[in-house]
Amino acid sequence: DAKTTQPTSMDCAEGRAANLPCNHSTISGNEYVYWYRQIHSQGPQYIIHGLKNNETNEMASLIITEDRKSSTLILPHATLRDTAVYYCIVRPDTSGTYKYIFGTGTRLKVLA
Amino acid sequence: EAGVTQFPSHSVIEKGQTVTLRCDPISGHDNLYWYRRVMGKEIKFLLHFVKESKQDESGMPNNRFLAERTGGTYSTLKVQPAELEDSGVYFCASSQDGNRGTIYFGEGSWLTVV
Repeated sequence: DAKTTQPTSMDCAEGRAANLPCNHSTISGNEYVYWYRQIHSQGPQYIIHGLKNNETNEMASLIITEDRKSSTLILPHATLRDTAVYYCIVRPDTSGTYKYIFGTGTRLKVLA
Repeated sequence: EAGVTQFPSHSVIEKGQTVTLRCDPISGHDNLYWYRRVMGKEIKFLLHFVKESKQDESGMPNNRFLAERTGGTYSTLKVQPAELEDSGVYFCASSQDGNRGTIYFGEGSWLTVV
């Protein structure tokens, strides 16, 4: 599976958009990009995933570059409750399993 | 709809004792996963069930860990005998299929071995 690279930490002002980058330069054509977050010590929470096209749901937007070598998770109006560790994971869509490889993620701190 | 539930939420045991963690997946989810994070490390995959069958147990650290899913419903993860390095949080997750959806994690079971 392709590896991902994320910045260790980021700060964002409350109410502003939080843009979290992820590099997955070795991604294969059938690998999806998934984003999860972990708030405090809770279980990882699913946010969004995509293959080629940009995706949006009630939580966030996912922007994938045309060459698919990187992506950005956008939280449009960050709140204090969005403070968490955000994980970017790639996974083949035909693997038949969600055997994720978690990295260290990005620790996002939303500032009042 | 109830999410993935895990029990106990916290457990403190002495080295050498046995602990059994339980996971109830989301109803109707055939796929069940165990992950764990031990101190200072990243979240790591342990194993994957499809119904009652072990699909992939490549992440199980050693033979002190035994996972079961009798009847294809809830799953248990037994650690016997527990060692200090087993301390951490054990997450269970489930999914409806193995490909185009996603998995949903429980809140985790914190294990402290003293």
